[in-house]
Amino acid sequence: GEDVEQSLFLSVREGDSSVINCTYTDSSSTYLYWYKQEPGAGLQLLTYIFSNMDMKQDQRLTVLLNKKDKHLSLRIADTQTGDSAIYFCAESRQAGTALIFGKGTTLSVSS
Amino acid sequence: DAEITQSPRHKITETGRQVTLACHQTWNHNNMFWYRQDLGHGLRLIHYSYGVQDTNKGEVSDGYSVSRSNTEDLPLTLESAASSQTSVYFCASRSGGGGELFFGEGSRLTVL
Repeated sequence: GEDVEQSLFLSVREGDSSVINCTYTDSSSTYLYWYKQEPGAGLQLLTYIFSNMDMKQDQRLTVLLNKKDKHLSLRIADTQTGDSAIYFCAESRQAGTALIFGKGTTLSVSS
Repeated sequence: DAEITQSPRHKITETGRQVTLACHQTWNHNNMFWYRQDLGHGLRLIHYSYGVQDTNKGEVSDGYSVSRSNTEDLPLTLESAASSQTSVYFCASRSGGGGELFFGEGSRLTVL
């Protein structure tokens, strides 16, 4: 199949770290993305990683890529209530082509 | 600033009616996409275009059509709306060289 798989829900406390996991199917995927969707809004790009990288860090966000296992994770440090949203993992097989999305992980942050 | 806009943002229609959702981008992107978002399914690709006069079917294209007469616009048409097409529709665009996929704010369509 061509599914991108994610767990559906994650609940954390404010200040904790959040880790959202994703598995993808196509080992030839060249770009892997994390998008965030807040209620009633479109999707906003959080970060992306090229397939030749293992890790990418951007302020509170850390992306880890395990190509052997086709596993991607997003870690959010010091999670805030404003981080509550749906997070989508997506893969792109070639530059400029359509992204294949997972079903999204709903992150709930309690204070 | 460049942007991507969708209209209408909300629409209610009846079964069997033809509906067109507009998408307009000012990024001058060649590649444009339509997705639908449904609970339990995430985002699924409906149709996409890699340039003027180019259109392609995605994963869930039945009952939908698109046309690309210029770079800026990719309207999505539901020929005969069905209740199963009640959904939130997102238009997106990106450059042919890759990089970020930019999304519109979405169009919520209800078919009664």
